Amino acid sequence: DGGITQSPKYLFRKEGQNVTLSCEQNLNHDAMYWYRQDPGQGLRLIYYSQIVNDFQKGDIAEGYSVSREKKESFPLTVTSAQKNPTAFYLCASSIYGQETQYFGPGTRLLVL
Amino acid sequence: AQKITQTQPGMFVQEKEAVTLDCTYDTSDPSYGLFWYKQPSSGEMIFLIYQGSYDQQNATEGRYSLNFQKARKSANLVISASQLGDSAMYFCAMREGLIRWNTGNQFYFGTGTSLTVIP
Repeated sequence: DGGITQSPKYLFRKEGQNVTLSCEQNLNHDAMYWYRQDPGQGLRLIYYSQIVNDFQKGDIAEGYSVSREKKESFPLTVTSAQKNPTAFYLCASSIYGQETQYFGPGTRLLVL
Repeated sequence: AQKITQTQPGMFVQEKEAVTLDCTYDTSDPSYGLFWYKQPSSGEMIFLIYQGSYDQQNATEGRYSLNFQKARKSANLVISASQLGDSAMYFCAMREGLIRWNTGNQFYFGTGTSLTVIP
């Protein structure tokens, strides 16, 4: 089945620890995005990437890092510099020439 | 200023009735796109409907229609014949400006409206 997968579904982070959230798509989409969602709020853009080996910062990139070594994959690392990482993280992708973004099932990150 | 405003934190509708979810947007750019997404309790965002700023007619997708009033900068979602499975959070979003192929576009999301369908 074609789609976007995110893993793990739940992730626990200890103080001072870096953690990486996985996002993979087999839709052959060009662009990929990472969003953060806090309770009672909409989505805020962390990073996005239009092509391999290139990415742009969104509104809340501080404390996060990404890579785009393959078209299918766009992992997000939550670094120890992110002081309030507890949130729901959503990955999305879109195809070149179309605007609609399609989302994965999300990863819920909790701090121990 | 907020790019997307959804003023209804929660809405209730009787099963089989129609409901309108409000969305207003703020942009000075003549080119933009407007989207509605549904987020059930599972968390995944499901694309519902899209309206481009230059589209002459209101978008429709099955039971979903978008009431696009450009002068008022509103893009309300209308769900007809509500079903129990429509209970979810609904988010309005906007892509601002011309589509940029090389760097991509940023989306702006509202805070959402929680819809509950009553049997």
